[in-house]
Amino acid sequence: GAVVSQHPSRVICKSGTSVKIECRSLDFQATTMFWYRQFPKKSLMLMATSNEGSKATYEQGVEKDKFLINHASLTLSTLTVTSAHPEDSSFYICSARDFGGGTPYEQYFGPGTRLTVT
Amino acid sequence: AQTVTQSQPEMSVQEAETVTLSCTYDTSENNYYLFWYKQPPSRQMILVIRQEAYKQQNATENRFSVNFQKAAKSFSLKISDSQLGDTAMYFCAFMKPVLDNYGQNFVFGPGTRLSVLP
Repeated sequence: GAVVSQHPSRVICKSGTSVKIECRSLDFQATTMFWYRQFPKKSLMLMATSNEGSKATYEQGVEKDKFLINHASLTLSTLTVTSAHPEDSSFYICSARDFGGGTPYEQYFGPGTRLTVT
Repeated sequence: AQTVTQSQPEMSVQEAETVTLSCTYDTSENNYYLFWYKQPPSRQMILVIRQEAYKQQNATENRFSVNFQKAAKSFSLKISDSQLGDTAMYFCAFMKPVLDNYGQNFVFGPGTRLSVLP
């Protein structure tokens, strides 16, 4: 099956700094990638949808200037948390969709990144 | 907007027994997809089963089967012969085939935490 990786798996950063999380589709071209945030014992909350070569579409209530998303290639999307604060600490999950494959409705999830802001 | 409800925050079942997790959803769409995802302690999201709304036949994957009632907007998951490895959070999810104006077309329910007891 299709594989999506995320890097890093865990990151600790100081308040006020920025941190970048990478999401890669390893064996398929992902025309669309999604970024989710998951609080402890809660469901996944969609933050934004990124299409290769265009600006990301953010969900209502998500600060686009704080959570910068770049989808520069068909296999890589990045989420940069700018000027991080402790309340940004969370588990971030990306997923990717392969519209060119036989299952355009399928989303392949990355393993997630745990961000801790101190 | 679509909503997905899972009314059972937690459930437990004895090993080898059968358990049913409930899911209801609200939509005005006629064509859509429904999914059950499993999230074990590793936090990796794993697709368990998928159902296309236009198919009347209930989907089955080995020990996992669904009871899809389109008119009632119900999509329950039955796990037969429960195994210890089935212990996880289970999320019901709804997907429209295309993005809406806000870019969100994949909605997760709040999840059900299933514990399989030895």
